[in-house]
Amino acid sequence: AQSVAQPEDQVNVAEGNPLTVKCTYSVSGNPYLFWYVQYPNRGLQFLLKYITGDNLVKGSYGFEAEFNKSQTSFHLKKPSALVSDSALYFCAVRDPRGRDDKIIFGKGTRHHFLT
Amino acid sequence: NAGVTQTPKFQVLKTGQSMTLQCAQDMNHNSMYWYRQDPGMGLRLIYYSASEGTTDKGEVPNGYNVSRLNKREFSLRLESAAPSQTSVYFCASRTTGGNNSPLHFGNGTRLTVT
Repeated sequence: AQSVAQPEDQVNVAEGNPLTVKCTYSVSGNPYLFWYVQYPNRGLQFLLKYITGDNLVKGSYGFEAEFNKSQTSFHLKKPSALVSDSALYFCAVRDPRGRDDKIIFGKGTRHHFLT
Repeated sequence: NAGVTQTPKFQVLKTGQSMTLQCAQDMNHNSMYWYRQDPGMGLRLIYYSASEGTTDKGEVPNGYNVSRLNKREFSLRLESAAPSQTSVYFCASRTTGGNNSPLHFGNGTRLTVT
């Protein structure tokens, strides 16, 4: 069975500084990995997904994610955070060998803008 | 372009009452999902349906039932609501044309059980 972990409940980053949100996963084989964002009082929006063979994936709003197979990680990054990036970030995983279509999420990491 | 539509947006129930949360998508997606979001718990999968006519349990199915009425609609039923079911419920769908196609989410239903 697949699992996903986001070890930090919250990260605080000042505007202009790099933002990293961590995610580790456990599946058999090459995973299907995703990042979603939830802005205050809004639904969830897709940010980016892992594409097999690409260790650095670029997504929406200037975000990117670094895939590391040996560390089973898929960390979300943004080189220069904006105030508007204050949101709740979720990592999700689908087991590629599952015959069904189960997708599970991590507990989320909240990014607060640090003044 | 409606996407995923959930009704109602808000609901207050008394303990023991029943209700059905409705979800419909107009994107011709095969797979549909129900999640609940609770503070500190993230998004937890309740049930999902990989195709019309099939449903599977997720991480927290107890106290819920689902119906995949047709390809468009996937409803979630609480037969006897409990305060522990106070949560925000999200429906989502995705195409299975690509193995890593993303989920499309509805705007959520905020449910309070007193």
